[in-house]
Amino acid sequence: DAKTTQPTSMDCAEGRAANLPCNHSTISGNEYVYWYRQIHSQGPQYIIHGLKNNETNEMASLIITEDRKSSTLILPHATLRDTAVYYCIVLKAAGNKLTFGGGTRVLVKP
Amino acid sequence: GAGVSQSPRYKVTKRGQDVTLRCDPISSHATLYWYQQALGQGPEFLTYFNYEAQPDKSGLPSDRFSAERPEGSISTLTIQRTEQRDSAMYRCASSLADDRAHTQYFGPGTRLTVL
Repeated sequence: DAKTTQPTSMDCAEGRAANLPCNHSTISGNEYVYWYRQIHSQGPQYIIHGLKNNETNEMASLIITEDRKSSTLILPHATLRDTAVYYCIVLKAAGNKLTFGGGTRVLVKP
Repeated sequence: GAGVSQSPRYKVTKRGQDVTLRCDPISSHATLYWYQQALGQGPEFLTYFNYEAQPDKSGLPSDRFSAERPEGSISTLTIQRTEQRDSAMYRCASSLADDRAHTQYFGPGTRLTVL
């Protein structure tokens, strides 16, 4: 599976949009981009995934560049409960194991 | 069930003892995963099952670690002759299948402390 690069940490103001970047320059055509987050000591939680089109659900939006070498997770109105470590993961279609990497530690401030 | 459950939630054991951790996946899910998470790190893959088959156990750190899923539902992870470095959170996840990029749903984990 392709390797991903994310910033180590970022702060975000409550109520503002949080834009979390991820680089995956070695992604191949059959690999999906997945985002999970882990709040404090809880288990990882699925957020969203995509192949090449932008995706939106009730939690977030995922913007994937046309060359698919990078993506951005957007939390439209961050709340204090969105404070977590966010993981960008690239996974083959016939995927199994998730490789979490370091993730981005997001702190939402009042 | 409504979600993935794991037991016990906490386990303290002495070095050299064997421990068995249990995972009960979402009932409709064919695929079950085990991960190990050290403090301050992301989860690391150990092994996974597709029903009772175990196609990949490449992440198991040593032959002291083994996992079973004999009837394709509940799974156990056993660590023999525990060592202090085995102290970690052990997380189980399940998904519908392994043939597509299905979402994995994680349980609350078992925190293992080896004294």
